[in-house]
Amino acid sequence: EVQLVESGGGLVKPGSSLKLSCVASGFTFSSYGMHWIRQAPKKGLEWIALIYYDSSNKYYADSVKGRFTISRDNSKNTLYLEMNSLRSEDTAMYYCAKPDITTDNWFAYWGQGTLVTVSS
Amino acid sequence: DVVMTQTPPSLSVAIGQSVSISCKSSQSLVASDKNTYLNWLLQSPGRSPKRLIYQVSKLDSGVPDRFSGSGSEKDFTLKISRVEAEDLGVYYCLQGTHLYTFGAGTKLELK
Repeated sequence: EVQLVESGGGLVKPGSSLKLSCVASGFTFSSYGMHWIRQAPKKGLEWIALIYYDSSNKYYADSVKGRFTISRDNSKNTLYLEMNSLRSEDTAMYYCAKPDITTDNWFAYWGQGTLVTVSS
Repeated sequence: DVVMTQTPPSLSVAIGQSVSISCKSSQSLVASDKNTYLNWLLQSPGRSPKRLIYQVSKLDSGVPDRFSGSGSEKDFTLKISRVEAEDLGVYYCLQGTHLYTFGAGTKLELK
C-alpha cells in the first residue's frame, strides 16, 4: 500500500525558512517523479514543484521559483521541500503526491499534509 | 504559468439535476504529441482529490457515466447529469500540458 507521510510544518515568521519532508513507503520510491502541492485555508489547490525520479530535472510554479527547492534522497525514501523567504501567502497545507504511471494519473496518491503557517 | 479560469465558484443543486462547470485556459492545452492534457478532479469533504476524467473526456475506471467531459484547445466543460448525493464536493480542472495548473474550484452543494 502506498503511504506518504509529510512532516516539518509549523508556525514561522515572514522571511524565515522551513524544510518539509515526505517519507514514502509501499512502492519503489526511486522509480517515480514526485510532486509538492499546497492548499491555502479555504482555498483551492496549487501545484508547486516536481522532481524527476533521479533528481535530473526539477520544475517549479512561478509563485515559488527562486524561493523553494525540491529535493529527494532515494536512499531514505524521502522527498523534501526547502522553503526560504516565506510570505504570509505561503500559509497552506502542503502535500506530497505520487503519480500512477499505468493510468497516467499525475497525482494519484496524496499524503495527509503538513500545515505551514507564516505569520508575525 | 498557464491560468485556468473555472466557473462558477459554486453551484447549489437538487438531487437529480444536471450541472455544468466551465474551465478556460490562457493557452492552448494541445500538447506536442497532439493529446490535450486536461483533467477533472473531485475533492470530497475531508478526502484527497480524486481524478474523474483525463484527456478532456476519458472517464477513469469506476466513474459513473453521469459524468462527461468535453472541449478543446482552451475551452472545456464538465457535465454531471442527474446529480447524486455522493457527487457533492469541490471540482477542479487541472491542466498538465504546460507543467500543472489547477482551476480555482467549483463547490457543488445541495439546494
